[in-house]
Amino acid sequence: KNEVEQSPQNLTAQEGEFITINCSYSVGISALHWLQQHPGGGIVSLFMLSSGKKKHGRLIATINIQEKHSSLHITASHPRDSAVYICAVKRNTGNQFYFGTGTSLTVIP
Amino acid sequence: DVKVTQSSRYLVKRTGEKVFLECVQDMDHENMFWYRQDPGLGLRLIYFSYDVKMKEKGDIPEGYSVSREKKERFSLILESASTNQTSMYLCASSLPAYNSPLHFGNGTRLTVT
Repeated sequence: KNEVEQSPQNLTAQEGEFITINCSYSVGISALHWLQQHPGGGIVSLFMLSSGKKKHGRLIATINIQEKHSSLHITASHPRDSAVYICAVKRNTGNQFYFGTGTSLTVIP
Repeated sequence: DVKVTQSSRYLVKRTGEKVFLECVQDMDHENMFWYRQDPGLGLRLIYFSYDVKMKEKGDIPEGYSVSREKKERFSLILESASTNQTSMYLCASSLPAYNSPLHFGNGTRLTVT
């Protein structure tokens, strides 16, 4: 069983829609990482959070430590948001990260 | 700006060849990681290093070795490449702090024929 589960696996949205991607984990963590990967591209860091909520432009990430759950929201989605979004957790022991399998988002104009 | 550079974007090798994948970071990060990414499996850790000459096995180290002679450089070695090692290989680095994010290279797509 994977320590990190993401849902949905695939998501198609119309431009302008509000999007939510979910991440659940089963281990104790020190921080959670949201990453973005464009087709053929490298992976970039969107957020790193340990509690509460962070916002950057149209992106919002929240985490509930007690429920072991995080969400990534995209407001007013745009075709350039089309990418794979990956959730990763850093365990509270050691230096390793554990990754979800990613959510593939397609935003249609 | 933070930069992690992988030496090759695409690589084609023959079965049995020794393959070197190089990764260099310019951020003075202690931690460096090698992952492979396969469809439906996500990123899986091959090896990581938390200091020069230090290394630890990840989840799938079989068939791989690593070298970290200098802080900025972390090399992944496929001793005898096999077709099941065809994959996307990603290098990453981070500081040791709990809230330090990962910084990734652009990846090397390796095909073993």
